[in-house]
Amino acid sequence: AQKITQTQPGMFVQEKEAVTLDCTYDTSDPSYGLFWYKQPSSGEMIFLIYQGSYDQQNATEGRYSLNFQKARKSANLVISASQLGDSAMYFCAMREAAFGNEKLTFGTGTRLTIIP
Amino acid sequence: NAGVTQTPKFQVLKTGQSMTLQCAQDMNHNSMYWYRQDPGMGLRLIYYSASEGTTDKGEVPNGYNVSRLNKREFSLRLESAAPSQTSVYFCASSSVPRANEQFFGPGTRLTVL
Repeated sequence: AQKITQTQPGMFVQEKEAVTLDCTYDTSDPSYGLFWYKQPSSGEMIFLIYQGSYDQQNATEGRYSLNFQKARKSANLVISASQLGDSAMYFCAMREAAFGNEKLTFGTGTRLTIIP
Repeated sequence: NAGVTQTPKFQVLKTGQSMTLQCAQDMNHNSMYWYRQDPGMGLRLIYYSASEGTTDKGEVPNGYNVSRLNKREFSLRLESAAPSQTSVYFCASSSVPRANEQFFGPGTRLTVL
């Protein structure tokens, strides 16, 4: 089974609209972390936001928020008031807390295109 | 403050050739990582170094070796390149092994013919 599933290969969104990028995960570890990264066409990976499995509140960073629904094992990224510069690939990733496990498992990504 | 730097940016190899990808960070981070990114597969961890002097295998270590030369530098070596190793390679670092953020380098695009 896939550890991280991103079901939207591509999305087109009008500028200034909000956008939700879906991410579901699979783990039996009670302690884990969820990450979102942005990869613009230039290729670098940019950290956006982090949510710990024990965090009581949803993480927020500026225009980014993470809609964390633990029972449903989903960690959707919400971008408010989208901008042209938000056009990029977006990756969801998970780190499980098993001893010695430093691995980030990435999903296959969603390509977001913002339309002017 | 350059962050994480990688050399080279691009490389073309013939099957069987060897090469070393270099990575350096100037953030005084303890942990460093090597990933590969293939189309449609996200990033996969090749090797990581939780601290200077230690290295461990990740998800796809076969065909690679690493050296944590010092706290700043973490190199990835392909001893005998194969076409299946055609990929984009990313180096990353974090302050501690379980830090909430990994900082990535710009990547090396490697083609093996």
